[in-house]
Parts: sequence; structure tokens; C-alpha cells
Amino acid sequence: ELKVEQNPLFLSMQEGKNYTIYCNYSTTSDRLYWYRQDPGKSLESLFVLLSNGAVKQEGRLMASLDTKARLSTLHITAAVHDLSATYFCALLSGGYQKVTFGTGTKLQVIP
Amino acid sequence: KAGVTQTPRYLIKTRGQQVTLSCSPISGHRSVSWYQQTPGQGLQFLFEYFSETQRNKGNFPGRFSGRQFSNSRSEMNVSTLELGDSALYLCASSFTSGSSEQYFGPGTRLTVT
Repeated sequence: ELKVEQNPLFLSMQEGKNYTIYCNYSTTSDRLYWYRQDPGKSLESLFVLLSNGAVKQEGRLMASLDTKARLSTLHITAAVHDLSATYFCALLSGGYQKVTFGTGTKLQVIP
Repeated sequence: KAGVTQTPRYLIKTRGQQVTLSCSPISGHRSVSWYQQTPGQGLQFLFEYFSETQRNKGNFPGRFSGRQFSNSRSEMNVSTLELGDSALYLCASSFTSGSSEQYFGPGTRLTVT
């Protein structure tokens, strides 16, 4: 059974600082997703990573994938308050549309 | 084009009752997946429907069931509600089943009292 672990679970950081969220998974996967969720809201897709070495960037967020290490990272550069949210990594596996989510990382950016 | 819609958005039910939630996917999408989100268990996969067939099922009791109609709209039913069923239920649609990006709806917040 695919297991997905994220760390840290909670992250409080000051504006302007850099930090990385880690996503480890237990078995091979077809693709890896990063989502953002604001309180009481649904999931917003941030990135889809398909292959080893894939790197995608959008604004202050950059995601990467190392399939050999079974590790994905979400790097936050010069954080701003608007990035405060919960971030999930998730993996597609099993051939069908079954997605297994990580535990989520709640990010709080302090002005 | 319009996104994924879910109805109702909020629902309060009593233990022992049953509930039906509805999800309308993005036009042209044929796969609908359902997820339960709770503070304790996080986001968990319930099941996926594609072309009116259940393709995959998560580890939930038989009280949780679903179906998909020919127009790809999907319903999820929970019978004999328990307090632990209180959660945000999210549906996601995708063009095909497997390796296709999912788009999430706003969710239905179910409270069981």
C-alpha cells in the first residue's frame, strides 16, 4: 500500500524567509501532485510532476521530483503572507484514478 | 468552462439517517472521484467512477456507496450515519481514468449530530 509522508506538519515562518516542504513516498508512482488548500476551501492544483528530475516553478513556489529517492520537495522562496495555507502532496498509483494524499503541511507566514 | 459543482454545500444530519451528495463534473470529463477529509484522518480516497462503473474503491465500509449517471454526474450515498462521518466530502473530475489531472469541487460539509 502506498504511503505518503510530509514534513513538517506545521511551519511558521517570517515573511522573506525560504523554506522547503518534503514529501516522501513508499512505492513507485505514475505522477506526483502538489495542492494548496485555504481554510474551509477546496483543493487548488499547483504542480504536476511526471518524471525523475522534473522541476516546476510558479512565482515563489518551486517543486521537484526525485523518483529514485522517492522524494518530492516544495521550496518556498521569500515567503509572503498570501502563501499561508495547507499544502498537500499526492500521488497517483494503481492504474486508475486513485490518489493518495500526504498528511499536509500547514504553513503560516507571519508578516 | 464551468468547474466541478457539488450540492449541497452544507448539510446537517442526525445519526442513523442517510444522505446523498451530488457532484457534476467539468463538461467532457468522464471520471469522478470522491474523497473524505477529516482533521484526524486527512484526505482519504473513497471511490472512483468512470463511464458509470466503479473503477476503484478505498477502505471504507459498505455504508458508503456511489453511482454515476450517463451524463457523468455522480452521487455518493452514506447510510446509517455515524458521528465520525462528519467531514468535508470532495469530488474531483478528470477527463479519463488513470494518469489524468483531477479538478476538485468546492466540497460538501456534512455535520452529523
